Amino acid sequence: QSVLTQSPSASGTPGQRVTISCSGSSSNIGVNYVYWYQQLPGTAPKLLIYRNNQRPSGVPDRFSGSKSGTSASLAISGLRSEDDAYYYCAAWDDSLSGRVFGGGTKLTVL
Amino acid sequence: EVQLVESGGGLVKPGGSLRLSCAAPGLNFSSYSMNWVRQAPGKGLEWVSSVSSSSSYIYYADSVKGRFTISRDNAKHSLFLQMDSLRAEDTAVYYCAAVTDGYNFGDPDYWGQGTLVTVSS
Repeated sequence: QSVLTQSPSASGTPGQRVTISCSGSSSNIGVNYVYWYQQLPGTAPKLLIYRNNQRPSGVPDRFSGSKSGTSASLAISGLRSEDDAYYYCAAWDDSLSGRVFGGGTKLTVL
Repeated sequence: EVQLVESGGGLVKPGGSLRLSCAAPGLNFSSYSMNWVRQAPGKGLEWVSSVSSSSSYIYYADSVKGRFTISRDNAKHSLFLQMDSLRAEDTAVYYCAAVTDGYNFGDPDYWGQGTLVTVSS
């Protein structure tokens, strides 16, 4: 059971906009920064979003992050086949004194 | 480009020990908090342990507390994870990750490619 809650799956067709949500609590998302990662099969997680809504260089602006209270969201616009992957949210948890991850959302591009 | 390279994974029997290493030759290593994250086969990401830049602060997940020990050598730009009393449920790909000053500051982090640890008789 993950501390951060994500829907197990999401889907969309090419060109669509999809949103992946991440729910936490006052000890993690509520007070700390949210990160988002993309993971393709057999590869290491890739940083998509840090500090709630910042993109590292090289990440397309089709990816955007937001945070409100104890929840966060990752939006992907102009969906492409290469976006078919797992997406994880993460945050530091002050109560646990550790990093917590969501269980991951498998995005399928139909 | 920041590069982190893990090594030391392999097959070990239950109850055995293994020491993982993470080399970060191009990183201003002493300015970064270092972390271990693992991923069991077919499962999600699980944080394992973190050590601050000067080793002043060390944290462990409950699942490994008392069995794993994180350490670092800033002079050698290296991070370590000593894993003792290994269990089948410790089987996973282990990733090291670096972030300046810890995740509370919200800076981007960098990940290695991972090393596979298999605990089986």
